[in-house]
Amino acid sequence: GAGVSQSPSNKVTEKGKDVELRCDPISGHTALYWYRQSLGQGLEFLIYFQGNSAPDKSGLPSDRFSAERTGGSVSTLTIQRTQQEDSAVYLCASSLDRRGTQYFGPGTRLLVL
Amino acid sequence: GIQVEQSPPDLILQEGANSTLRCNFSDSVNNLQWFHQNPWGQLINLFYIPSGTKQNGRLSATTVATERYSLLYISSSQTTDSGVYFCAVELNRDDKIIFGKGTRLHILP
Repeated sequence: GAGVSQSPSNKVTEKGKDVELRCDPISGHTALYWYRQSLGQGLEFLIYFQGNSAPDKSGLPSDRFSAERTGGSVSTLTIQRTQQEDSAVYLCASSLDRRGTQYFGPGTRLLVL
Repeated sequence: GIQVEQSPPDLILQEGANSTLRCNFSDSVNNLQWFHQNPWGQLINLFYIPSGTKQNGRLSATTVATERYSLLYISSSQTTDSGVYFCAVELNRDDKIIFGKGTRLHILP
């Protein structure tokens, strides 16, 4: 079946604009994760969704970041008033359940000018 | 906060060699995972291993939770094993996942 998909694959925006990143998990996967990887840097966990439950948002870098998951499936990560330090690859992963193998999407490369 | 340290930071090996990557963590954790990121950026979740030993082909992992470390073994290395290996821990008290800085492995043909 289809893997995790993310859109857009690349996004260039101007500082101060809002951006919305989308993740389509594998069908039937209840767990969904968002991560960020800045250029040449390691991985940073952002947020985790389990089904329709409200997520713990404390891992988000600032209050400009928000995320939601519609009907326990598609998720969107929104960054308001983007800053240059938001430039990174944003990765989404899903797993069958909390303890399952995570399958990663190809990522969205965000560049804030 | 919890510290996750990986060693060595960089490793260059000849094809066919074996290697051991280490992950130390400073606090009790709910779970530990190993990931591989290939040179093109694609991430793969290798092991979900809160304790004990698991094997998958040429790769195996052992976590000793009481001593706060995990080891990833790669036997008979192939050039496709090149990339960065990340260790990540999940804390007991919340849903956060904390990553180590990774070990960059380069397998020479």
